[in-house]
Amino acid sequence: KAGVTQTPRYLIKTRGQQVTLSCSPISGHRSVSWYQQTPGQGLQFLFEYFSETQRNKGNFPGRFSGRQFSNSRSEMNVSTLELGDSALYLCASSIPLGTAKNIQYFGAGTRLSVL
Amino acid sequence: TQLLEQSPQFLSIQEGENLTVYCNSSSVFSSLQWYRQEPGEGPVLLVTVVTGGEVKKLKRLTFQFGDARKDSSLHITAAQPGDTGLYLCAGAPYDKVIFGPGTSLSVIP
Repeated sequence: KAGVTQTPRYLIKTRGQQVTLSCSPISGHRSVSWYQQTPGQGLQFLFEYFSETQRNKGNFPGRFSGRQFSNSRSEMNVSTLELGDSALYLCASSIPLGTAKNIQYFGAGTRLSVL
Repeated sequence: TQLLEQSPQFLSIQEGENLTVYCNSSSVFSSLQWYRQEPGEGPVLLVTVVTGGEVKKLKRLTFQFGDARKDSSLHITAAQPGDTGLYLCAGAPYDKVIFGPGTSLSVIP
């Protein structure tokens, strides 16, 4: 069974630009969550999507948005990039049922550098 | 405010030594997960603990869930360089999964 796939792996952008990151979850997983990881803040929850609907949202500005498609694939968009957006962006999929619902299966991440 | 605290933040030990890292909270969790993350990769699930007082073993790693389900520990026996990485605990006290800040472990050959 293929794992979570994130593309691209690396991205370099300049301030003010916008970026779109992609995530393909494990087959059969309908929940997709996005996280931002930085050395200073650790893993911070961005949002969770289930059945094409945003189910939960973290404390990030509106520049951060996402969506989920009918095949459970998800995209995350960041507009008007700032230097502080440089981070590893991780996508995780899960089965939102019972005790397994909290277990996150992560992709390798997209390393975003904003210059 | 961190809902999940982890200690120590950093740990550097020699190969063959034993170590314990801790995950603490004032909240009760229905389950806690431990992950290990290597540089440039996403976290990988090691174990999930569900029952208060539960002990799980994964080769040289021993995980314990506190009786009150508010804390957990990870003990590594005879650490190997391959154990190097960031150890994260996680749980969902409310409606979304939260992660602790992690313990960065370095095992020196």
